[in-house]
Amino acid sequence: IAGITQAPTSQILAAGRRMTLRCTQDMRHNAMYWYRQDLGLGLRLIHYSNTAGTTGKGEVPDGYSVSRANTDDFPLTLASAVPSQTSVYFCASSIDGGATDTQYFGPGTRLTVL
Amino acid sequence: GQNIDQPTEMTATEGAIVQINCTYQTSGFNGLFWYQQHAGEAPTFLSYNVLDGLEEKGRFSSFLSRSKGYSYLLLKELQMKDSASYLCAVYDSNYQLIWGAGTKLIIKP
Repeated sequence: IAGITQAPTSQILAAGRRMTLRCTQDMRHNAMYWYRQDLGLGLRLIHYSNTAGTTGKGEVPDGYSVSRANTDDFPLTLASAVPSQTSVYFCASSIDGGATDTQYFGPGTRLTVL
Repeated sequence: GQNIDQPTEMTATEGAIVQINCTYQTSGFNGLFWYQQHAGEAPTFLSYNVLDGLEEKGRFSSFLSRSKGYSYLLLKELQMKDSASYLCAVYDSNYQLIWGAGTKLIIKP
């Protein structure tokens, strides 16, 4: 059982380019999340999905889009990358997004936008 | 606004005890989590508190006081492998996790 996998592990991207970060989980969790982590700041929620076919905006959604076509996959797309999107991106999942839900994290993608 | 405060960095000695504090001001409260994050790795779950009091799990304990908006993580018998960042997070009224910036714990021999 792999848990949550993310790809790529790291990426250097030119500003203005389109980029999709991949996230796959094999735990059959209904809820999935995308966070960014920047030095000196807490994890910030970008988008989330409580079940396949639905998505919602988090704290910092601008410049990002997501889709949830099935239970396992939750890709994050940067339509036109900007340097301020340089960050470490973590995908997470939980059973159903409820109040007692523990979130489990993927290994992260380190993205640098030049 | 919503806010979670933790000390930025703490230093402790191997074998000792350390207490990492977390204070929060959030719109509603539906539980508090502590996660551990080693450098360059993903956060991993340590503990969950929703009622006042102390939850003990091996060398780690977590305490919650909802009336004071306060929690602490207590680490006993510190080991070098405990060197990591410790993240405090609160579920708000919208069931979104609000995260603190984390406390970097340095363990010295």
